[in-house]
Amino acid sequence: GNSVTQMEGPVTLSEEAFLTINCTYTATGYPSLFWYVQYPGEGLQLLLKATKADDKGSNKGFEATYRKETTSFHLEKGSVQVSDSAVYFCALSDQRGGADGLTFGKGTHLIIQP
Amino acid sequence: DGGITQSPKYLFRKEGQNVTLSCEQNLNHDAMYWYRQDPGQGLRLIYYSQIVNDFQKGDIAEGYSVSREKKESFPLTVTSAQKNPTAFYLCASSPAGIVETQYFGPGTRLLVL
Repeated sequence: GNSVTQMEGPVTLSEEAFLTINCTYTATGYPSLFWYVQYPGEGLQLLLKATKADDKGSNKGFEATYRKETTSFHLEKGSVQVSDSAVYFCALSDQRGGADGLTFGKGTHLIIQP
Repeated sequence: DGGITQSPKYLFRKEGQNVTLSCEQNLNHDAMYWYRQDPGQGLRLIYYSQIVNDFQKGDIAEGYSVSREKKESFPLTVTSAQKNPTAFYLCASSPAGIVETQYFGPGTRLLVL
């Protein structure tokens, strides 16, 4: 079956530091890949996505590149802010377009200190 | 404004009691989903529905039931058979077959008394 593995948290950084959150996946075929963000007490918001190999998703300064050769989709940001503190989820949908729902990683709690 | 609403925000359940969580969307989406979130476990799919009057079990359906009588509504019942119901429950929707535009509600936190 499909699975997503992401780095354990919490990840604590100082403001303006460089961020990397690792994500690797196992899936058959060619899944689409996503990063979602969850702020305290809220639902999930789509941060970015990539639907085929070598695609780069980007939004709000965050980027992630779909690497089929390493089955990875690492999230990066060049300079984090306190407002980026949240839980980040890597997810995939299967080659049927995710009709059966998404497969999520366990989430990485990011804490940015001023 | 279009979106997904979940109610209540907090819900308390007594032993042996069934409780129902509400999920309503006005996005005209065909597909709706229920996920359960536990600390350190990520999100796990409980049930999903691609069309009115039809739904399928997800990975952890035992102890839960759903109905889809209207396109905009997908209520989840946590039955007494669910022995560990304490969790954060998230409802989501998407246009049929286009899950990358999946929208999430704000969630309901269920606690056992």
